[in-house]
Order: sequence, then C-alpha cells, then structure tokens
Amino acid sequence: EVQLLESGGGFVQPGGSLRLSCAASGFNFRNYAMNWVRQAPGKGLEWAATISGSGAGPYYVDSVKGRFTVFRDNSKNTAYLQMTSLRVEDTAVYFCARGTRPYMGALDHWGQGIPVTVSS
Amino acid sequence: AIQMTQSPSSLSASVGDRVTITCRASQPIRDEFGWYQQRPGEAPQLLMSLASDSQREVPSRFRGSGSDTEFTLTITSLQPEDFATYYCLQDYNYPRTFGQGTKVEIK
Repeated sequence: EVQLLESGGGFVQPGGSLRLSCAASGFNFRNYAMNWVRQAPGKGLEWAATISGSGAGPYYVDSVKGRFTVFRDNSKNTAYLQMTSLRVEDTAVYFCARGTRPYMGALDHWGQGIPVTVSS
Repeated sequence: AIQMTQSPSSLSASVGDRVTITCRASQPIRDEFGWYQQRPGEAPQLLMSLASDSQREVPSRFRGSGSDTEFTLTITSLQPEDFATYYCLQDYNYPRTFGQGTKVEIK
C-alpha cells in the first residue's frame, strides 16, 4: 500500500524557516516524481514544487522561487520542502503527492497534509 | 504559464442528477490532464488521468472526456458521497496549474 506521511509543519514568524518532510512507503520511491501542493485556508489547490525521481528539475511556482527548495533522499524514501523567508501568504496546508511518472504525471497518491502557519 | 479556467465555480444539485463540470486550458495540452475530488477536511483524490482514464476505485458514474483545450467531468447520477469540490490540473508542463475548483453542493 502506498503511503505518504508529511511532518515538520507548525507555526513560524514571517521571515522564518521550516522544513517539511514526506516519508514514502509501499512503492519504488526513486521511480516517481514527488510534488508539493498547498491550500491556503478556504482557498483552492496550488501546485508549489516538483522534483523528479532522479532529483532532476526541480520546478517551482513563481511565488516560491528563491525561497523554497525541494529535494529528496532516495536512500531514505523521503522528499523535503525547505521553506525560507516565509511570508504570511505562505500559510496553508501543505500536501505531498506522488506523480505517476518520473518527471511529471497525475498526482495519484497524497499525504494527509500538514498545516503551516506564518504569523507574527 | 498555462491557465486552467474551470466552470462553474459552484453548483447545487440533487441526488440522482447529472452534473457536468468544464475546464478550459489556455493552450493545447493534448490529454495531459486530470480531475481531482476533495471532500472537506480531506486530501484530494485523483479521479481521472489522461483526461478520461479513471482510477481503479472510482465509480463508473464519473466520466472524463476532452482533449487539447476543453475537458469535461460528468457525474451521471449524483450520489451523497459526491458532494465535494472538484479540481482540474494540467500535466503538460511546468508550472503546473490547477483550475479554481467547482464546489458541488446539495440542493
């Protein structure tokens, strides 16, 4: 059974940093792209970042470029989202999701989501 | 970035109704497209990939169609568990882009 478990969220002041982790199990982790999708309170889904199975890319939405870094450790079956210079508008539930292909593809399995709150 | 325009933003329907949701892409994306369902408080769930390929557990009342710039999700007979928000997502290129969502509510 495919499982994705996010951790590392919480409360942080503007300008602060957080690192989210996504621990994966139940599939050959290195064969799949891993994605981060976020959802601000009461809003729709926003794709944030993707890293390919081999670690190539990565790709970011413009609003997080230069502040967020997505990376992975295939030996630990874990993907990460390092978030720096956090802004109030980064407040959201962050989901990790598996892509169906090494570089792209639909998001066929999702974690339960982890809340991040940026506030003074 | 490719813009995905989803309509309607919300709709009210009764159990047993036929419901249609549309998503339009700002440029052709072949069939690189998916539909997602999100119930309140839950993670999204993939319904359809490649525009019309339903995931294994998805009931047959959900049907996807379309290609290039216009895509449709049809629920042929709405059930109580289908009241949720539906999103489209283009899988064609980066940055990935979702539609704004369609909230399906009980009439």
